[in-house]
Amino acid sequence: AQSVTQLGSHVSVSEGALVLLRCNYSSSVPPYLFWYVQYPNQGLQLLLKYTTGATLVKGINGFEAEFKKSETSFHLTKPSAHMSDAAEYFCAVSRTGATNKLIFGTGTLLAVQP
Amino acid sequence: ETGVTQTPRHLVMGMTNKKSLKCEQHLGHNAMYWYKQSAKKPLELMFVYNFKEQTENNSVPSRFSPECPNSSHLFLHLHTLQPEDSALYLCASSQGGGTSTDTQYFGPGTRLTVL
Repeated sequence: AQSVTQLGSHVSVSEGALVLLRCNYSSSVPPYLFWYVQYPNQGLQLLLKYTTGATLVKGINGFEAEFKKSETSFHLTKPSAHMSDAAEYFCAVSRTGATNKLIFGTGTLLAVQP
Repeated sequence: ETGVTQTPRHLVMGMTNKKSLKCEQHLGHNAMYWYKQSAKKPLELMFVYNFKEQTENNSVPSRFSPECPNSSHLFLHLHTLQPEDSALYLCASSQGGGTSTDTQYFGPGTRLTVL
């Protein structure tokens, strides 16, 4: 069975600082990996996804994530945090060859301090 | 209207009430989903529809009854709910028949409170 673990339910950074949100997955087959963001009172929005090919994936709003098979990780980073990045971030995994079923982590709430 | 819309945005109901949640997608997608989002728990997939056919029921209690009359509309009929069913219910859609690489587009959700 697949699963996703997000370390740190709350992360606080200063404006301009590096953002690092951690995601580890468990999957017996090559996974597809996703990061979604949820702003207050809104639904989830895709930031980026890894399917095949280049392991460093660039997304919207300056975010990127790197698929590391040996570490079973897909951490999300952004070099310089903006106040507008304050939101909840969800990592998700789906299984290659399977139907459209996403398994989500519990989410990380990012706070950005001025 | 663009994207995925959900109505109502907020709903308060008693345990004996019957109500329905509505989702509409304006993206030309063929797959639609219901998720439950509770505090401090991962998003839980409830139902998946591909081309109007239900392809996933994630062991959801029968007090939740989905309906997908066409590829653009999805309903969740609620009856005799329990207080622990209080949550944010999210609808999503994706293109095609629903492959595991598809991006899912989410609506803003309906905040449900069961008294």
